[in-house]
Amino acid sequence: EAGVAQSPRYKIIEKRQSVAFWCNPISGHATLYWYQQILGQGPKLLIQFQNNGVVDDSQLPKDRFSAERLKGVDSTLKIQPAKLEDSAVYLCASSLKPTYEQYFGPGTRLTVT
Amino acid sequence: GDSVTQMEGPVTLSEEAFLTINCTYTATGYPSLFWYVQYPGEGLQLLLKATKADDKGSNKGFEATYRKETTSFHLEKGSVQVSDSAVYFCALSDTGQGAQKLVFGQGTRLTINP
Repeated sequence: EAGVAQSPRYKIIEKRQSVAFWCNPISGHATLYWYQQILGQGPKLLIQFQNNGVVDDSQLPKDRFSAERLKGVDSTLKIQPAKLEDSAVYLCASSLKPTYEQYFGPGTRLTVT
Repeated sequence: GDSVTQMEGPVTLSEEAFLTINCTYTATGYPSLFWYVQYPGEGLQLLLKATKADDKGSNKGFEATYRKETTSFHLEKGSVQVSDSAVYFCALSDTGQGAQKLVFGQGTRLTINP
């Protein structure tokens, strides 16, 4: 069974530029999560989708971050404009149902200069 | 809000040594507790979990017991191997409202020397 796929794996941008990350969850997984992992910290949930609807986006900085999950499968996370403090690894995870085990992708490492 | 505090790292041990990584939590409800592991270049993987007080989770020789009285979930292994070198994250989940919202500790980097 294929795991959670993410791209790109690495991205370097200058502050005030925009960037987008893509996630393809495990086939059949209805729930999708985006986490932000700053160096030296544990992952922090940014947004949770159930199919194509948002369940929890309470920790998403909505002035600059946006996310969508069209058709309830793939998802994109966008940052516009980026700040230096957005440098982090962005992890995508999926689960069959909301209370089931989450499976994580390898992450996208973002560096903002 | 809910939080998880892990033992500061990095931790360096010799092969076959005994491992303990401490984890304590603060939660208002009755959370489930997890240990995740992140090997170099890979995504987070669930190592073990416990869903109620006094439950013991175990996998690959690792164990952790859910201690409600001390709000702890310490990770232990009797004899570590070089292949156990990774970053370990303790996490809790409040499954209220039908969702599993994971709250992670800061992670502990473990290095095992041959």
